Amino acid sequence: EDQVTQSPEALRLQEGESSSLNCSYTVSGLRGLFWYRQDPGKGPEFLFTLYSAGEEKEKERLKATLTKKESFLHITAPKPEDSATYLCAVRPNSGGYQKVTFGTGTKLQVIP
Amino acid sequence: NAGVTQTPKFRVLKTGQSMTLLCAQDMNHEYMYWYRQDPGMGLRLIHYSVGEGTTAKGEVPDGYNVSRLKKQNFLLGLESAAPSQTSVYFCASRDRENQPQHFGDGTRLSIL
Repeated sequence: EDQVTQSPEALRLQEGESSSLNCSYTVSGLRGLFWYRQDPGKGPEFLFTLYSAGEEKEKERLKATLTKKESFLHITAPKPEDSATYLCAVRPNSGGYQKVTFGTGTKLQVIP
Repeated sequence: NAGVTQTPKFRVLKTGQSMTLLCAQDMNHEYMYWYRQDPGMGLRLIHYSVGEGTTAKGEVPDGYNVSRLKKQNFLLGLESAAPSQTSVYFCASRDRENQPQHFGDGTRLSIL
């Protein structure tokens, strides 16, 4: 069974204090790993797709990396507006393109 | 540029009542999805559609029905609402294979 585990559940950072969020996954072959940002009362907003180990993607203060067992979302010098819940999801090779397993998210709070 | 639009945004129902949630997307996407999000759990797939006129069951389909009569719309129905269906419901759509899903802002549904 595919599993996605995100840690920590919650993270509180001072503005400018860099850190990383972790997404560990167990799938029978990875077709794609997705990162989303979710603000309170809103739907998940797509950030990145990673397809193979060693791949990296960047957007402003965020950088996503991928290994064969986990993905990291690195946040450099975060600002209060980066406060949100960050979701990780994996699409396995089996089960067609419809099967996507989501983690429960990391709730990030950035304090001014 | 609306993307994925869900109506209504909030609804309170009594046990046994029925209702329909509407999802509309203006991106000409073939694939559409209905998820539910509950505290402490990842997004779970209820039903999905791979094109106009098609529907299929996801991970937690019991108690729900769907229809996709037009490519841009995907309807989720609750025939006889139960308290266990209290949740936040998200609709998503996707373009080509292995592309990310794009989500609406959700419908918050309470069943009393």
